[in-house]
Amino acid sequence: SAVISQKPSRDICQRGTSLTIQCQVDSQVTMMFWYRQQPGQSLTLIATANQGSEATYESGFVIDKFPISRPNLTFSTLTVSNMSPEDSSIYLCSVVGQLGGPQHFGDGTRLSIL
Amino acid sequence: AQTVTQSQPEMSVQEAETVTLSCTYDTSESNYYLFWYKQPPSRQMILVIRQEAYKQQNATENRFSVNFQKAAKSFSLKISDSQLGDTAMYFCAFMKPGTSGSRLTFGEGTQLTVNP
Repeated sequence: SAVISQKPSRDICQRGTSLTIQCQVDSQVTMMFWYRQQPGQSLTLIATANQGSEATYESGFVIDKFPISRPNLTFSTLTVSNMSPEDSSIYLCSVVGQLGGPQHFGDGTRLSIL
Repeated sequence: AQTVTQSQPEMSVQEAETVTLSCTYDTSESNYYLFWYKQPPSRQMILVIRQEAYKQQNATENRFSVNFQKAAKSFSLKISDSQLGDTAMYFCAFMKPGTSGSRLTFGEGTQLTVNP
């Protein structure tokens, strides 16, 4: 399966600032996703990152708060904007090599907001 | 919309013994995929096993196997010869392929602890 590098692995940020998380894959993939995992909870899909076009957001998530880019088939970024303590979570990217195939995940970014 | 339910928030097992984690799901679809992922304290999500709904044969990966009951919408994971490294959170997940594009719906998770 593809090797997925997610950066940073963790960060501590100040309230009101923004952080961009990067997801790099070592091979071209058909789909890329971003998830949020709040403390002690399961994963919730934020959006599907679409190559060369706007991301598709799930209910409850908006582009102004979580802008996403995917300039090519191997790279995507998620920005968490104007952060508050409620944004403290693990953020994970995942990829699908071929449609119908399983999702494989990056190592996640543990984000804490003070 | 699909839902996935894991009714066991926590389980424990002795090393070398067998444990079964439960998962049920609700869908009106006939073609779909089911997965088990594990998340150790390192937080990485690791694919354990995958089942295609149109296949009657239960999937097996080394010490991990599933009991897939399509009519009952049940998808349990059996771990044989449990090892300390199996200690992790286990998530059951549902995927409907198609134009919605491989979106996963996760259960709430089961924390498994393997005791020495």
